[in-house]
Amino acid sequence: AQSVTQPDIHITVSEGASLELRCNYSYGATPYLFWYVQSPGQGLQLLLKYFSGDTLVQGIKGFEAEFKRSQSSFNLRKPSVHWSDAAEYFCAVYYGGSQGNLIFGKGTKLSVKP
Amino acid sequence: GAVVSQHPSWVICKSGTSVKIECRSLDFQATTMFWYRQFPKQSLMLMATSNEGSKATYEQGVEKDKFLINHASLTLSTLTVTSAHPEDSSFYICSASRSVRSYEQYFGPGTRLTVT
Repeated sequence: AQSVTQPDIHITVSEGASLELRCNYSYGATPYLFWYVQSPGQGLQLLLKYFSGDTLVQGIKGFEAEFKRSQSSFNLRKPSVHWSDAAEYFCAVYYGGSQGNLIFGKGTKLSVKP
Repeated sequence: GAVVSQHPSWVICKSGTSVKIECRSLDFQATTMFWYRQFPKQSLMLMATSNEGSKATYEQGVEKDKFLINHASLTLSTLTVTSAHPEDSSFYICSASRSVRSYEQYFGPGTRLTVT
């Protein structure tokens, strides 16, 4: 079955430190890949997406993600975290086909220490 | 562009009553709309997909008679939780796609439902 895994449930980083959130998807044809951010009590905001081409994609708010086919991964990175980045981050994949839907990982909660 | 609104943002209702949640695409026509449910500290679970003018397609395990979905126009979809019970309390999020390519979804801000 198609799936997406976010191994880290909760990550705490210091403000100004770098960040990497992990995402792995189940083996198969390359899906479309997304990262969303959700602030408490809010909906989801798209940070970035990968469909094809350059494997390093830039998103909003200074985030970037790198697609690595060999590792079935799409990790989210930010060089310097701000306190306002504290939120829940969801990786999502879309496999397409007649039953194509977005499949979300369980999310990673990011806390930022001052 | 691509703004999706939900109303209400939060609602409290008594057990046994029904509650309707609206999802609107404000600046585009939504060919397809999606309804998700999110439990505390959990991911989003797709409940159903609806296309304008058609019956909604429900995911396995979602009760069609409890969660009534109507996609009456290209900008409005409604989710009615019928005979609500405390276990229906949750955060409901809708999303909309302007094309049949359902990966391009724009999410609403969510509706917090509490059933007492």
